[in-house]
Amino acid sequence: DADVTQTPRNRITKTGKRIMLECSQTKGHDRMYWYRQDPGLGLQLIYYSFDVKDINKGEISDGYSVSRQAQAKFSLSLESAIPNQTALYFCATSEPLAGGGETQYFGPGTRLLVL
Amino acid sequence: AQSVTQLDSQVPVFEEAPVELRCNYSSSVSVYLFWYVQYPNQGLQLLLKYLSGSTLVESINGFEAEFNKSQTSFHLRKPSVHISDTAEYFCAVSLVSNTDKLIFGTGTRLQVFP
Repeated sequence: DADVTQTPRNRITKTGKRIMLECSQTKGHDRMYWYRQDPGLGLQLIYYSFDVKDINKGEISDGYSVSRQAQAKFSLSLESAIPNQTALYFCATSEPLAGGGETQYFGPGTRLLVL
Repeated sequence: AQSVTQLDSQVPVFEEAPVELRCNYSSSVSVYLFWYVQYPNQGLQLLLKYLSGSTLVESINGFEAEFNKSQTSFHLRKPSVHISDTAEYFCAVSLVSNTDKLIFGTGTRLQVFP
């Protein structure tokens, strides 16, 4: 089984709808992240969480909210979806590396289309 | 602020040819450097990293990258590519003093042709 799972894998929604993307992990990591990927822009950080009570905004948090229901679960919500939120969304966890830095582990992604 | 530049958005190459994917970073403080790879329809996975010590680091599948502090670069190379290396490659940095976040480049799509 995958260590970081995302549901749904694909989603089509309409402008103005509220949707939730879910992420679960079995790696036991405290740190979790939500990114969006747009062609030519790389990955942009939306929100990150260091534990259940610690939620932080990333570079592009406007229009999004998150919930850390448990160490293993981190959900991303689009309160009122708009077409420019059409993108590929990734959840990730991270763990410290011996010698410094951290490694991030990514889920398979959720492809979202907002009509 | 830190930033990462990958100048080449796409690199087409024939199988068994050498390849270099360029990465330059900007930072006034010490950084850790990473290359992540994204195969089609998958999430990113760590390819290799530079934390300290030897400036040349290698991956298990034949890629290598060299940290050049004076050039602020961390270019990725492979002497002979395979079809299976077709993927998107992302360079990333994090601060030594604050590893909370990774800053990614815009990615380079490596397309290997037979």
